[in-house]
Order: sequence, then structure tokens, then C-alpha cells
Amino acid sequence: GENVEQHPSTLSVQEGDSAVIKCTYSDSASNYFPWYKQELGKGPQLIIDIRSNVGEKKDQRIAVTLNKTAKHFSLHITETQPEDSAVYFCAASKDPARQLTFGSGTQLTVLP
Amino acid sequence: NAGVMQNPRHLVRRRGQEARLRCSPMKGHSHVYWYRQLPEEGLKFMVYLQKENIIDESGMPKERFSAEFPKEGPSILRIQQVVRGDSAAYFCASSLDGITEAFFGQGTRLTVV
Repeated sequence: GENVEQHPSTLSVQEGDSAVIKCTYSDSASNYFPWYKQELGKGPQLIIDIRSNVGEKKDQRIAVTLNKTAKHFSLHITETQPEDSAVYFCAASKDPARQLTFGSGTQLTVLP
Repeated sequence: NAGVMQNPRHLVRRRGQEARLRCSPMKGHSHVYWYRQLPEEGLKFMVYLQKENIIDESGMPKERFSAEFPKEGPSILRIQQVVRGDSAAYFCASSLDGITEAFFGQGTRLTVV
């Protein structure tokens, strides 16, 4: 089955700096890669996703890149703000409706 | 994701009791997924259901766990004879049509004492 590895497990940045979180996956059949933000005591919230026919996608301060050959994808947050502090999870699946395999999460802390 | 409603938010059960977790999908959604999250870990898939059908239960333990999504009413995840290792957050997600993305609820935090 699919295996998703996520790094780093914790990340601290100064407000205004950029943050990058990286994930690798094992199943070459995976073609849907969402990113979720989870705040304490809440459910995961989809913040951006990318499909395998696209190499990069951007939404305001958030961007995701995908390298299918190397089987890795990354989340980039620019101009970080304290409210960006949360746990971020990457995930992979063969399609959006099928089971998602999640990474182990990255605790992002944005220091004011 | 505020549209996916899970209850209760917190549930405490003694070892050996039954736990019932409920999930009402977003309006119009007929596809439901259950995930389990252990402390400090990512979410692990358990089961995928459509109305009255189990599509994929490959992540569900073979014993004590069952799930249903009846024609009317919420999806139910049932854990019989709970053990301490069942303590976790259980999340439900729903999808409109099984093609578009799924949205998560706030979760039920089960504590077995």
C-alpha cells in the first residue's frame, strides 16, 4: 500500500519568513495530493490540493509543488503569520474519493 | 468543513463498554469516510461508505468495529467492548459524489478508562 513520509516534524519560523514542508510517497499510482491544516482540538481543514497533471499550484500565500518522477511534493507558505501556527498534514491517494494516506504531520510555529 | 457534524465531541467509556460515534455528512453528500488519529500521529483510514453500502473497509479492525450509513440518518461507527488502545480521535469526512474532495468534521475524542 501507499506510504507517505513527511518532514520536518516540527518547524519554527519568524513571522514574515517562509515555511516549507516536504513529503514523499511510494505508490506511483497516486495522483491526488491534498494538504490539511489542523488546529488544536479541531478537524483537518483542506487548504490546498494538487493533482498529478499539474506541477505547481498557488493560492495567495500558499503554494504546492509536485515532482511525480521523484515522488515528492512540498507545501510553501510565504509571509507567515502567527495564525498559520498549526499542525500541517500532507496526504496522497489514487483519487479524491478514495482513502487518503496521511503523513505524520508537521507542527509549525510562527514566532511573532 | 463546518458542515460535517460529529457527535458527541467527547466520549468517555469504561473498558468493555460500547462506543457509538455519529456523523452527519454535509448536505447533499452521500459518501462518508472514517479515520482514526492516535495522539501525535497522522490520520489512518478506517472505512468508506455510501448510503447503505460499505465500499472499502480495509482499514477497519476485523473484530469489535463496525460501521453503517443507513438510507436515513447519520453514519454510525460502533466499537464494542472497548479497550484502552481504542482511545483516539475519530474523524468523519464526507464527499458529494465520490469524485470531489472530502471535508472533515471536528472529530469525536474517545477516552477509555
